[in-house]
Amino acid sequence: GAGVSQSPSNKVTEKGKDVELRCDPISGHTALYWYRQSLGQGLEFLIYFQGNSAPDKSGLPSDRFSAERTGGSVSTLTIQRTQQEDSAVYLCASSRRGGEGQGYTFGSGTRLTVV
Amino acid sequence: DAKTTQPNSMESNEEEPVHLPCNHSTISGTDYIHWYRQLPSQGPEYVIHGLTSNVNNRMASLAIAEDRKSSTLILHRATLRDAAVYYCILRNSGGSNYKLTFGKGTLLTVNP
Repeated sequence: GAGVSQSPSNKVTEKGKDVELRCDPISGHTALYWYRQSLGQGLEFLIYFQGNSAPDKSGLPSDRFSAERTGGSVSTLTIQRTQQEDSAVYLCASSRRGGEGQGYTFGSGTRLTVV
Repeated sequence: DAKTTQPNSMESNEEEPVHLPCNHSTISGTDYIHWYRQLPSQGPEYVIHGLTSNVNNRMASLAIAEDRKSSTLILHRATLRDAAVYYCILRNSGGSNYKLTFGKGTLLTVNP
């Protein structure tokens, strides 16, 4: 596609429920990244994919968070048993490769609100 | 990643040039200087990047000091649409260079 697409754009969920956030990267971009941004805060790295592998999951805040990527394309970020502190904008980005001198293309994000 | 230092905020008037500074005194020889901006309610947007030489593209210019310890993002004629948070990020060309580490950035306000 022309850009990175994320869905849903907004999600309100009850505390304790599971949620799935989807990211469609730009076609041909092998690298995919998830970040989150809490209200008024900077961007926090969550996980990096190269193809279908995730060589760096160091930013996932707890074992309630997981992500997968299939076919070297679509990625899903799953949050189990959501908590109020999970409320944030979850941003996905992709790039041609994880190498130097590359710009990332970000999606518009999914705004998650846990009530 | 090496650290960058930016002013918390800056103001400009519409149609005037804007110079956004960034200090990176601990930059290594293989660190690229990247700039992104984030408009309200949007994801960050790539603006420009460079290594040693000054760079120009349709969005902005990047001026890199000779010792590479600082750089300046130049918007030649600010518009109201340029109001955003601007992030200066160093990204190494080797090793774990895939990760962009965002700081607080500079909030640019453009006055009509």
